[in-house]
Amino acid sequence: GDSVTQMEGPVTLSEEAFLTINCTYTATGYPSLFWYVQYPGEGLQLLLKATKADDKGSNKGFEATYRKETTSFHLEKGSVQVSDSAVYFCALSDPLGGGYNKLIFGAGTRLAVHP
Amino acid sequence: KAGVTQTPRYLIKTRGQQVTLSCSPISGHRSVSWYQQTPGQGLQFLFEYFSETQRNKGNFPGRFSGRQFSNSRSEMNVSTLELGDSALYLCASSSTSGGAGTDTQYFGPGTRLTVL
Repeated sequence: GDSVTQMEGPVTLSEEAFLTINCTYTATGYPSLFWYVQYPGEGLQLLLKATKADDKGSNKGFEATYRKETTSFHLEKGSVQVSDSAVYFCALSDPLGGGYNKLIFGAGTRLAVHP
Repeated sequence: KAGVTQTPRYLIKTRGQQVTLSCSPISGHRSVSWYQQTPGQGLQFLFEYFSETQRNKGNFPGRFSGRQFSNSRSEMNVSTLELGDSALYLCASSSTSGGAGTDTQYFGPGTRLTVL
């Protein structure tokens, strides 16, 4: 079945460092890919998404490119801030493999940014 | 527009009891999905409703059930609670039917259920 694998955390960085969180997927059909972020005590917020191969999603300085050839959707940010400290989830939606409006999530990667 | 709201935010129950959680989607959204989040299993899909019909269901026992009303509000029910049902329950709404898989799901803050 469909699945998402993302790098284990925690990831600890200093402010202004470069961030990469790796995400790879397995899907039956042609999935859409998402990055969600969860701050302590809150639900999930959409960070960015891409719906077809070679699409680049971007938001708040974060970027991710849908790479079909490597089945990857790695999250990057050039300069992290303390306020970026949160848990990041990679997810896919694949109606062919999973049905309607079902997101399949990776395990999440906790990011801690220190001043 | 108001976001997805969930009530209550926190619940404490004992084993064997049942519980009902409520979710109000963003105005105009007709699809509501439910997820369970635990430290051990992560985020897992429970079920999805669209126009009062359950269209998709995850791998959870029959103790987990849900419904959707004509105003798109949704409830989920867990009967005969077990310790392992302690989790954050999240609902998400989206504006279209989800057939293309491209829709964004907007999440509520969750209901934290503790089973003692």
